[in-house]
Amino acid sequence: EDKVVQSPLSLVVHEGDTVTLNCSYEVTNFRSLLWYKQEKKAPTFLFMLTSSGIEKKSGRLSSILDKKELFSILNITATQTGDSAVYLCALLLYNTDKLIFGTGTRLQVFP
Amino acid sequence: NAGVTQTPKFQVLKTGQSMTLQCAQDMNHNSMYWYRQDPGMGLRLIYYSASEGTTDKGEVPNGYNVSRLNKREFSLRLESAAPSQTSVYFCASSDGGGSDEQYFGPGTRLTVT
Repeated sequence: EDKVVQSPLSLVVHEGDTVTLNCSYEVTNFRSLLWYKQEKKAPTFLFMLTSSGIEKKSGRLSSILDKKELFSILNITATQTGDSAVYLCALLLYNTDKLIFGTGTRLQVFP
Repeated sequence: NAGVTQTPKFQVLKTGQSMTLQCAQDMNHNSMYWYRQDPGMGLRLIYYSASEGTTDKGEVPNGYNVSRLNKREFSLRLESAAPSQTSVYFCASSDGGGSDEQYFGPGTRLTVT
C-alpha cells in the first residue's frame, strides 16, 4: 500500500530557530513530491520536486528529495511566527492525477 | 481570478439528510478533486475527475457521489449523511497532463449529528 509518513507530528520552536521537517514514503512509482503549507484554511503550494538531489529554494525555505533513501526534507531557516502552520507532503502517482498526502507536521513558532 | 470556490462554507446536517457541496474553478483546469481532511488523518482523496465527463474513485469514495457538470464545476453529493462524514471537505483543481500543482478551495466544514 502506498504510504507517506511525516515527522515529527508536531514541533514548537522560537523565532529565529531553524527547523527540518521530514517526509518519508513507501510509494513504488511517483511522478513528483509536493510540499504544501496549510494555515487556517486551504493548503497553499510551496515546492514540487521531481529529481533526486536537486535543492529547491524560496527565501528561507528549501527542500530536497532523496529517491534512493525514499525521503524528502523541508528546511526553514530563521523561523518567524508567520511560519506557524501545518506542512503537508504529498506524492503524485505516475499515470494518474492522484495525490497521496502525509498526515502533516504542525509547526508552532513563538516570539 | 477567484481561483477555486466552494459553497457552502459551513453546514450542519442530521443523520440521513442529503446535501450537495459545490465547487467551481476559473483557471480553465482539466482536473478536479474532492478531498476530506480529518484530524490526524491528513487529506484523503474521495473522487477526482481528469477531464469533463469522467470521474474516478479515490481512497475513500463510499457514501459519496460526484458530478463533473462542465469543465468549471465539480459537485460532491452525500445521499444519506452519517456522523462518520463529519469532516472538512476541500475541492482542488490542476491543469493535469504534466502540471502537477493542485490549487485548493477554502473548504467546507460539515458536521453530521
